[in-house]
Amino acid sequence: GDSVTQTEGLVTLTEGLPVMLNCTYQSTYSPFLFWYVQHLNEAPKLLLKSFTDNKRPEHQGFHATLHKSSSSFHLQKSSAQLSDSALYYCALRSGGSNAKLTFGKGTKLSVKS
Amino acid sequence: EAAVTQSPRNKVAVTGGKVTLSCNQTNNHNNMYWYRQDTGHGLRLIHYSYGAGSTEKGDIPDGYKASRPSQENFSLILELATPSQTSVYFCASGDVGAGNTLYFGEGSRLIVV
Repeated sequence: GDSVTQTEGLVTLTEGLPVMLNCTYQSTYSPFLFWYVQHLNEAPKLLLKSFTDNKRPEHQGFHATLHKSSSSFHLQKSSAQLSDSALYYCALRSGGSNAKLTFGKGTKLSVKS
Repeated sequence: EAAVTQSPRNKVAVTGGKVTLSCNQTNNHNNMYWYRQDTGHGLRLIHYSYGAGSTEKGDIPDGYKASRPSQENFSLILELATPSQTSVYFCASGDVGAGNTLYFGEGSRLIVV
């Protein structure tokens, strides 16, 4: 079945340093990949999603590139901000389903000054 | 902005009791979902639905039932609640027409004692 593996647990960074959160996946069909962000005491919301072509999605300074050869969709940002502190989820929708989304376990990012 | 509303937001239930979590969406999305969120496990899919009258098992359906009586409403039912079902439950809606983006409710915190 489908599965998503993320950088586990807590990632702590100093403000201004680059961010990279890993996401790899397994899927029987060609998948769509997503990153969701959840700030403290809020609901998860979409950060960005993969395109069917080779465009690189970007939002709020974050970007991710779908690499089918390595089954990865890592989240990156060139310079972390204090407001980036949140829980980040990588998610997968299999190309064989038009509904089911499978989430990873989440990576908590803490940015300190 | 898409709107998903959950009730109750907080609930304390006794072991063996029946719990119903309700979800309403005004987005006219076909698909609706119930996830539970637990530290170390991330978001896990319990049940989902393609539309009124349909329910599908997700990855952890045991101990839960779902009901989709209309396009707008999707309920999660715990017939015999157990302490292991203590968690935060999120409802979401989405569909292909919305770019597969999921819109989440604010969450329902359930404690089973």
